Amino acid sequence: KAGVTQTPRYLIKTRGQQVTLSCSPISGHRSVSWYQQTPGQGLQFLFEYFSETQRNKGNFPGRFSGRQFSNSRSEMNVSTLELGDSALYLCASSSGTSGYTFGSGTRLTVV
Amino acid sequence: AQSVTQLGSHVSVSEGALVLLRCNYSSSVPPYLFWYVQYPNQGLQLLLKYTTGATLVKGINGFEAEFKKSETSFHLTKPSAHMSDAAEYFCAVPKPPPGFQKLVFGTGTRLLVSP
Repeated sequence: KAGVTQTPRYLIKTRGQQVTLSCSPISGHRSVSWYQQTPGQGLQFLFEYFSETQRNKGNFPGRFSGRQFSNSRSEMNVSTLELGDSALYLCASSSGTSGYTFGSGTRLTVV
Repeated sequence: AQSVTQLGSHVSVSEGALVLLRCNYSSSVPPYLFWYVQYPNQGLQLLLKYTTGATLVKGINGFEAEFKKSETSFHLTKPSAHMSDAAEYFCAVPKPPPGFQKLVFGTGTRLLVSP
């Protein structure tokens, strides 16, 4: 069974640009959630999608957005990048509360 | 709100020594508790999962965790550390319903293993 696939693995962007990250969940998993990991703030919840609907959003500015497609694949977008957006972005897929499987993450560096 | 606290941002052990990583949950008993491991430049890998009614939970790579309601704890242990265990470990709990159940993580404990 294929795991959670996140692309790309690494990204370098310039301040002010925008970026789109992709996540393909485990087959059959309808829930996809996103987390930001930084040395200072740790692991923070961004948002979660279930059947193409955003069910919850963390405390991030509106520059952070996402969506989910009918095949459960999800994308997150960050506009007007800031230096502080440099982080590891992790995607997790779930079939319920009993298990969350994470991808390898996308390392975003903003210069 | 449901939360977890990990005591000790760094733990150092010698190879072959006992590993003990601490996690305490907030007052209400959660239906699930998780331990994840993160190796450098990797995502999170599930080590083990507690479900209601369990006490001793066995996971991968020789790790296990004991759920103690009286101490609101779910500490992670391994009898004998291996160099390959050097990584960061996170305890996590799902936010309870109603509403979406996201994962709430502890601050993490970095395990250092010396030869």
